Amino acid sequence: GAGVSQSPSNKVTEKGKDVELRCDPISGHTALYWYRQRLGQGLEFLIYFQGNSAPDKSGLPSDRFSAERTGESVSTLTIQRTQQEDSAVYLCASTARQSTAKETQYFGPGTRLLVL
Amino acid sequence: GENVEQHPSTLSVQEGDSAVIKCTYSDSASNYFPWYKQELGKRPQLIIDIRSNVGEKKDQRIAVTLNKTAKHFSLHITETQPEDSAVYFCAAIASGTYKYIFGTGTRLKVLA
Repeated sequence: GAGVSQSPSNKVTEKGKDVELRCDPISGHTALYWYRQRLGQGLEFLIYFQGNSAPDKSGLPSDRFSAERTGESVSTLTIQRTQQEDSAVYLCASTARQSTAKETQYFGPGTRLLVL
Repeated sequence: GENVEQHPSTLSVQEGDSAVIKCTYSDSASNYFPWYKQELGKRPQLIIDIRSNVGEKKDQRIAVTLNKTAKHFSLHITETQPEDSAVYFCAAIASGTYKYIFGTGTRLKVLA
């Protein structure tokens, strides 16, 4: 593909509902990151995948958040029992190499989540 | 834990003037420092980066300087143009790690 893609681009949900956010990284990129960006704020690291494994989940805000990756490709971020404070833009990024972070991160367009 | 402080949070300059954004990092093992530009409603994109074995890097109107002793690095934009208006993020990563620590961002406004 031409770049990292994410879906949906926008998601409005009611408090308490579950949501799934999808990320399609650049083909061949082994490393994948999820970030959260609240309005007017910086990039908050959530989780990192090396292949299909997530060596570091420490950035996930609570046990309502989970993520998986399959086929060293698509990743889904799931938020259960959404709360209003989950409202943010969720950005996915991928890089070509798995063992170093000295590689350009290519970001997707993000999913804008609004929890009512 | 690791931390990156970024200043200022907002910056307004007249078109043609220079803009400087500064970041300070806490982890002395950090050795890679990228800068990202995020235009309104768009994704962050890498504009320049510097590794710890150099003190300065320049690419046309943008440059980055690194002071390892003081643990800070700066983005310099000269001859600013309206299209430079965006939010700029710095980041730092330590060797052998994968985790980018981002600054909180600087909203740059270039006034025509």
